[in-house]
This record gives sequence, C-alpha cells and structure tokens, in this order.
Amino acid sequence: SQTIHQWPATLVQPVGSPLSLECTVEGTSNPNLYWYRQAAGRGLQLLFYSVGIGQISSEVPQNLSASRPQDRQFILSSKKLLLSDSGFYLCAWIGEAYEQYFGPGTRLTVT
Amino acid sequence: DQQVKQNSPSLSVQEGRISILNCDYTNSMFDYFLWYKKYPAEGPTFLISISSIKDKNEDGRFTVFLNKSAKHLSLHIVPSQPGDSAVYFCAASGGSNYKLTFGKGTLLTVNP
Repeated sequence: SQTIHQWPATLVQPVGSPLSLECTVEGTSNPNLYWYRQAAGRGLQLLFYSVGIGQISSEVPQNLSASRPQDRQFILSSKKLLLSDSGFYLCAWIGEAYEQYFGPGTRLTVT
Repeated sequence: DQQVKQNSPSLSVQEGRISILNCDYTNSMFDYFLWYKKYPAEGPTFLISISSIKDKNEDGRFTVFLNKSAKHLSLHIVPSQPGDSAVYFCAASGGSNYKLTFGKGTLLTVNP
C-alpha cells in the first residue's frame, strides 16, 4: 500500500532562517505530488505541484521554492523565512481515482 | 477569487441526526468534486468523491449530492456520530494535472 511521509513534524524557526521540508512517498511510482499550506483559520492553499522529476509548477508567488530530486521525493525550501510563512504544511499525492492523499503535515512556526 | 466556497464556518448537530454540509463553486470547468475530513494537527483524509456525470454518490453513512445547474454540492452524514466532529473541506478539480481547489472548511460538531 502507498504511504506518504513528512518530516519534521514540527519546526520552530527564526525569521530570516532557511527552511527545508521533506516529503517521500512509498508504494507508487511517478506520482503527481503537491505541497499545500494551511494558515491559521484558513483553508488549504496549493503552493506547488510536480508531475515528474525536476518538474515544478508554482501556484503562488512567494519566497518558497520546491524541488523534486527523485521520483518519490518532494522538497519545500526557503532561503529566508518570513513571519507569514507560519502554518501547517501538507504534502499530497494523487491516487488512481484522482483523489489526493495527504501526509501527516509539518507545523512550522516562524518567530 | 474564491472558486470553491463553504459559507458555513461551523455546524452543530445532535448525535443520530443528519449533518448536511454545503459547498458552492463558480468555475464551470470543474468536473470532479471531493470531500475531506480533517482533525487538528493531521493531514486531511479523503472521504468521498463525485464526478460531474453523476448527481449522487453514496458510501456508507456518507452521501454526496451534486447539482450542476446550481453549481452546488452537499455532503450528508446519517446518522451523525461524535467521532464525525472535525473540519470538512470541499474540493474541486478540473485541470489535467488534477489540481484541487479547496474551500475554507466547515467545522462540524456532533454533540452526544
């Protein structure tokens, strides 16, 4: 069966520091992968999606970036965090019936 | 521009009664709709979906209804249970990369 992992689970970082969040998927190959953010009191905002290695599409211009160095690895990064980057970050992959399955999430607090 | 709207931020129902969660969309290109359930500090869990070629899909206690002319869908939970208490997100898709557009969610509270 397919499994999606995210780490770290929680992270507290100062403003201006770099960020790297990792997502890996097991049990499937060449999945569409997605990064979402849920800010406090808000819905789920799609940040990036990838249909294959090295292919990244950005949905929202901001100081975040994403990379897909391997088929089942998706990384979210920032060179300098802002206070507004705080939120709950979710990675997802798409199943056969086009539903998306989400990982456990990373709670990021920028101080 | 909010293409998927969940106008009720919260809903409270009694255990055993029906819960009805509503969702409206504006993009006529959407052709696939999904409902997710989310507990705090966890990722959303897929519940049920419906294609635009159908007007109803049922899975156990969960039924989703789609009214394309009104661009409206609803999730019915019967009977409601305390464990159903969570935030419910409506989502829609219509692109070739299967991007999902989410509503802001409705917090359902089922009281024992």
